[in-house]
Amino acid sequence: NAGVTQTPKFQVLKTGQSMTLQCAQDMNHEYMSWYRQDPGMGLRLIHYSVGAGITDQGEVPNGYNVSRSTTEDFPLRLLSAAPSQTSVYFCASMSGNNNEQFFGPGTRLTVL
Amino acid sequence: ILNVEQSPQSLHVQEGDSTNFTCSFPSSNFYALHWYRWETAKSPEALFVMTLNGDEKKKGRISATLNTKEGYSYLYIKGSQPEDSATYLCASPNSGGYQKVTFGTGTKLQVIP
Repeated sequence: NAGVTQTPKFQVLKTGQSMTLQCAQDMNHEYMSWYRQDPGMGLRLIHYSVGAGITDQGEVPNGYNVSRSTTEDFPLRLLSAAPSQTSVYFCASMSGNNNEQFFGPGTRLTVL
Repeated sequence: ILNVEQSPQSLHVQEGDSTNFTCSFPSSNFYALHWYRWETAKSPEALFVMTLNGDEKKKGRISATLNTKEGYSYLYIKGSQPEDSATYLCASPNSGGYQKVTFGTGTKLQVIP
């Protein structure tokens, strides 16, 4: 099993550009989440999904969209990138309630 | 938003010393408490998931306890080794659901050889 994979690993964008961060898991996990990690802030939840076709907002959803058309994939879209979205983004999946989360390797995004 | 706090922010210990750090969380509407180990340039990896008051879990030299009534968990490392150097995160799902997890800011541990 590859576990949770994310692409790209690094990305530089200009303000106003859009892009999609890809996340996939091959463990058949129901739950998937996107977090951003900023210095001194810890991991903050952006959006999450409890299954295909179902998504909901986390703590910091503004400026991001998600979709969950399949169990495996959970892409995160930046609609119009802003410097405040410079961060490291982690995708995670979980098999059910009260189970551990498995994290992807992260995507380091810089918005100029 | 659930308030999950960790202390201390950072910690330096000598190799062989034992150490512990704290995670506090609201005791109402408790679902679970997760501990993760996060090495530099890697992804967080789960250590423990704890759900019951009085739970005590152990993995090698690392153990954790849980007090849901007073809203805290301790992580203990016995005989610290340089490879224990990492940031230790705790996290708790909030009343929004099991998958809506709030993380603390972590305790960064450095073990000096």
